[in-house]
Amino acid sequence: GEDVEQSLFLSVREGDSSVINCTYTDSSSTYLYWYKQEPGAGLQLLTYIFSNMDMKQDQRLTVLLNKKDKHLSLRIADTQTGDSAIYFCAESIRSNYQLIWGAGTKLIIKP
Amino acid sequence: DVKVTQSSRYLVKRTGEKVFLECVQDMDHENMFWYRQDPGLGLRLIYFSYDVKMKEKGDIPEGYSVSREKKERFSLILESASTNQTSMYLCASSYNTEAFFGQGTRLTVV
Repeated sequence: GEDVEQSLFLSVREGDSSVINCTYTDSSSTYLYWYKQEPGAGLQLLTYIFSNMDMKQDQRLTVLLNKKDKHLSLRIADTQTGDSAIYFCAESIRSNYQLIWGAGTKLIIKP
Repeated sequence: DVKVTQSSRYLVKRTGEKVFLECVQDMDHENMFWYRQDPGLGLRLIYFSYDVKMKEKGDIPEGYSVSREKKERFSLILESASTNQTSMYLCASSYNTEAFFGQGTRLTVV
């Protein structure tokens, strides 16, 4: 069946770049998403990439997609304390309304 | 701004109680979802609805039911709450590529 995997924790120093990785199994994915969940809040869409793209940049965020390896990454440049959150990777494979979710990566910022 | 509102942030219920979690969205979205979120397990889909009165089971529907009588409202029902249903419940709505989430309801069953 479909599966999305990501590591549970990532710790980086303030000002460094954070790279959060995600692998997925279904090659028929149409869109791949990164959502951010701050403590005590719901999820917010951070960015998404269409499956026929290999890179998308939006200010401090860079998304890289390697379709051959089914690998998605989110790079956050100049990581700030406000970036502390859980980051979820998700893929949509059926009519764009059902998402398959990773377990979430908790990003911890060290001063 | 799309708004998805869940009726409660925190709930404490007793084992065996019938529990209703309400979710309302204001953007006329056709698709609505209920997820539960548990540490290390990510989001797991309980039920979703793609139209009024239409519903489909997600990955973990056991012990839950849903109701969608109006387009803007999607209710999750725990028929007889059990302690293993203690969790964070997230409602979402979507039209196309983006899902919008409510703030979550943290349910504790004692």
